[in-house]
Amino acid sequence: AQRVTQPEKLLSVFKGAPVELKCNYSYSGSPELFWYVQYSRQRLQLLLRHISRESIKGFTADLNKGETSFHLKKPFAQEEDSAMYYCALGRQGGSEKLVFGKGTKLTVNP
Amino acid sequence: NAGVTQTPKFQVLKTGQSMTLQCAQDMNHEYMSWYRQDPGMGLRLIHYSVGAGITDQGEVPNGYNVSRSTTEDFPLRLLSAAPSQTSVYFCASSRDRGNEQFFGPGTRLTVL
Repeated sequence: AQRVTQPEKLLSVFKGAPVELKCNYSYSGSPELFWYVQYSRQRLQLLLRHISRESIKGFTADLNKGETSFHLKKPFAQEEDSAMYYCALGRQGGSEKLVFGKGTKLTVNP
Repeated sequence: NAGVTQTPKFQVLKTGQSMTLQCAQDMNHEYMSWYRQDPGMGLRLIHYSVGAGITDQGEVPNGYNVSRSTTEDFPLRLLSAAPSQTSVYFCASSRDRGNEQFFGPGTRLTVL
């Protein structure tokens, strides 16, 4: 069974501090991992996916198959990063459905 | 393109009432999904569709029906609303397998 765990419901950091949002997954096949973000009063949108290896808005995430993790990191948090972040798991090569974690609410304080 | 649209934005129902949440996309996406978002529970998949005429159950399908008669539309029906169905409902679509899901703005449903 596919499962995504985001251990922190809430995460609060100060502006300029590093931030790491944790995501661990359980899946017997080849995974494809995503981070989605929901800013206040906006719809969910894709932030990044592991296969693209991009850095979006200063965020990066590396898939660690040994630790079954896909943590989201940013070296210097900004106030506009405050949002709800969801880690999602699919099947490599594509899948009709994603399994989402319960989400982490990030607050970046001035 | 309007992207993924959902109506209504807000709805209040009484227990036992029925209603349909509408979802439409104008991107010619094959894949469409319905999720519910609850505090502390994240997003949970209700039903999904891989193309017109094809639907399947997700993680929490009980109490909900769907149909996909066209590529554009994917309505979600509550036949007899229950307070446990109070939630925010999101519709999403994607071009094909493995691609980015595009979400609608959500429908906030309250069942009294």
